[in-house]
Amino acid sequence: KAGVTQTPRYLIKTRGQQVTLSCSPISGHRSVSWYQQTPGQGLQFLFEYFSETQRNKGNFPGRFSGRQFSNSRSEMNVSTLELGDSALYLCASSSQGRGINIQYFGAGTRLSVL
Amino acid sequence: AQRVTQPEKLLSVFKGAPVELKCNYSYSGSPELFWYVQYSRQRLQLLLRHISRESIKGFTADLNKGETSFHLKKPFAQEEDSAMYYCALNANTGNQFYFGTGTSLTVIP
Repeated sequence: KAGVTQTPRYLIKTRGQQVTLSCSPISGHRSVSWYQQTPGQGLQFLFEYFSETQRNKGNFPGRFSGRQFSNSRSEMNVSTLELGDSALYLCASSSQGRGINIQYFGAGTRLSVL
Repeated sequence: AQRVTQPEKLLSVFKGAPVELKCNYSYSGSPELFWYVQYSRQRLQLLLRHISRESIKGFTADLNKGETSFHLKKPFAQEEDSAMYYCALNANTGNQFYFGTGTSLTVIP
């Protein structure tokens, strides 16, 4: 099975722009979660999608949004970029709905905001 | 509020020495706890989870609800154990994981 695929791997944007990141989960996985990883804060949960619905949401401003398609692929959008949005964005997929789930992580998208 | 604390950012031990990576959590319900590891230039991956009560690569972790801890232990550290280790809690509302800030373990030959 192919692993979790995130595209693009690297992005450079300027303040005020918007960006869309993509995540393809492992085949058969219906849950996709997004995380922001920074040196100071570690991994912070953004949101989780399951069967095209946002099921859980972290404490990030509304500029951060996402969606999931019927094939379980997910996109994350950040609008009006700020310098502080520079981070590694990780996507993780898991197979089950509820219960004890193992998350499989992608390699991440490194976003730099100038 | 849910919170995971890893008090040590950096930890160095000699090869063959015991190693313990600390993790404390705060959560009002029944926690699901995990240890994830990230080796150099690799993806974050699951090391072990408390529900399985397993030993992976010689590592074990016991959930202590009284002390709200889930420390990771290995009796004899190996050089290949050098990595970043993250403790994580699933808030049992689906998949909403709270990660600690991580501990970078270096095993000195």
